[in-house]
Amino acid sequence: EIVLTQSPGTLSLSPGERATLSCRASQSTTSLAWYQQKPGQAPRLLFYGASNRATGIPDRFSGSGSGTDFTLTISRLEPEDFAVYYCQQYGFSPGTFGQGTKVDIK
Amino acid sequence: QLQLQESGPGLVKPSETLSLTCTVSGGSIRSGSHSWAWIRQAPEKGLEWIATMYLSGSTYYNPSLRSRVTISVDTPKNQVSLRLTSVTAADTAVFYCARLLWGYTYGAFDLWGQGTVVAVSS
Repeated sequence: EIVLTQSPGTLSLSPGERATLSCRASQSTTSLAWYQQKPGQAPRLLFYGASNRATGIPDRFSGSGSGTDFTLTISRLEPEDFAVYYCQQYGFSPGTFGQGTKVDIK
Repeated sequence: QLQLQESGPGLVKPSETLSLTCTVSGGSIRSGSHSWAWIRQAPEKGLEWIATMYLSGSTYYNPSLRSRVTISVDTPKNQVSLRLTSVTAADTAVFYCARLLWGYTYGAFDLWGQGTVVAVSS
C-alpha cells in the first residue's frame, strides 16, 4: 500500500502567518486529497486531485504538487484554521491517509 | 441539504459482530449517483478507509479488513450499513460514513457524518 508521510508533525504559528504543510507519498500518484479536522468533528474535504478546491473552501487555502510531493498552503492563518490536516491518496487500493499535521497557536 | 447520521451500539464485546447504520436525510441516497463509504479513526490515531459501495452494487474493501467486513445500501430506507465480524479491542474507533465525489472509489470524501463511537470491551 502507498504510505503517506506528513511533515512537520506540529506547526506552531500565529494568526496572520503563512502555513506550509508537506505530504510525501511512497509511490507516484495523481489522486491526492487534503482534509481539515477540528476536535470532536469529522474531517472536511479541502482539496482533491491535489489542487482542486472543494466547495466552500476559502481561497487562502491552496493545494499543489505532483508525483510524490504535495503541499497544502494557508496564506494567512485565521483563528478557525487551527486544526489537524490530513492528506489522503485515493488512486490505489487501499486508500491511505497520512498521520496528520497539527497546526496550533504559537 | 444532504446530511449523514451514523448510529450503532456504542459498546460491543470481543468476538461479536458490530453493525452500524448511516441514515441519509435531506435528499435521496441515489441523487447524483454517488458512492458511499465507511472510514474509521482509532483513538489518537489516524484515519482508515474501510469500504466503498456503488449503488450499482459493486463493493470495495480494505484488504486488511476484507475477510470481516460487509457494506450494503438500502435505497428505499436511504441507509448505508456496515457489518464487522469478530471484533477485538483494536476495532475500537469512531466510525464515519461518507459520500465520495462522483467517480471515485477509495477517497475524496466530500460529505461526512458526525461519527459514532464504538468501544470493544468485555
